[in-house]
Amino acid sequence: KAGVTQTPRYLIKTRGQQVTLSCSPISGHRSVSWYQQTPGQGLQFLFEYFSETQRNKGNFPGRFSGRQFSNSRSEMNVSTLELGDSALYLCASSLEAFGTEAFFGQGTRLTVV
Amino acid sequence: DQQVKQNSPSLSVQEGRISILNCDYTNSMFDYFLWYKKYPAEGPTFLISISSIKDKNEDGRFTVFLNKSAKHLSLHIVPSQPGDSAVYFCAASEGGAQKLVFGQGTRLTINP
Repeated sequence: KAGVTQTPRYLIKTRGQQVTLSCSPISGHRSVSWYQQTPGQGLQFLFEYFSETQRNKGNFPGRFSGRQFSNSRSEMNVSTLELGDSALYLCASSLEAFGTEAFFGQGTRLTVV
Repeated sequence: DQQVKQNSPSLSVQEGRISILNCDYTNSMFDYFLWYKKYPAEGPTFLISISSIKDKNEDGRFTVFLNKSAKHLSLHIVPSQPGDSAVYFCAASEGGAQKLVFGQGTRLTINP
């Protein structure tokens, strides 16, 4: 069974630009969550989508947004990039049932210059 | 306000001995706890989990203990192997794995 797939693996963008990251969850998983990892803040929850609806949201500015498609694939978008947005962005998918784990993709390394 | 804390940034253990990684949490609503292992520039890999109705869960060399009254959990790895060298994160959630709150991680180094 294929794992969580994130594309692209690496990205370099300029301040002020926008970026879109993609995540394909494990087949059958309808919940997709996004996390940001930075050296200073660690792993922080961005948002979670289930059945094309955002169910949970972390404490990030409105420049960070996402969506989920009917096949459960998800995208996250960051507009007006800042240097501080440089991070490893991780996507995780899980089943809806309590007591199941979240499986993570390899992540997208975003560098803003 | 850091709801999940791993107070030891690093831990060094000799191969074959027991590794004990600790984690404390403050939110009494957390009812599901997970441990992940992570290598640089990769996504976390799930190791083991425990729900709040249990106080112990084992899977091979990995055992997680939960002390709800102390709001403390620990991961025991026995015996420790060189391949266990990585950063270990504990995570907590309310009601499932959809919104995880992570600790800052502990870098475990297994020495031959």
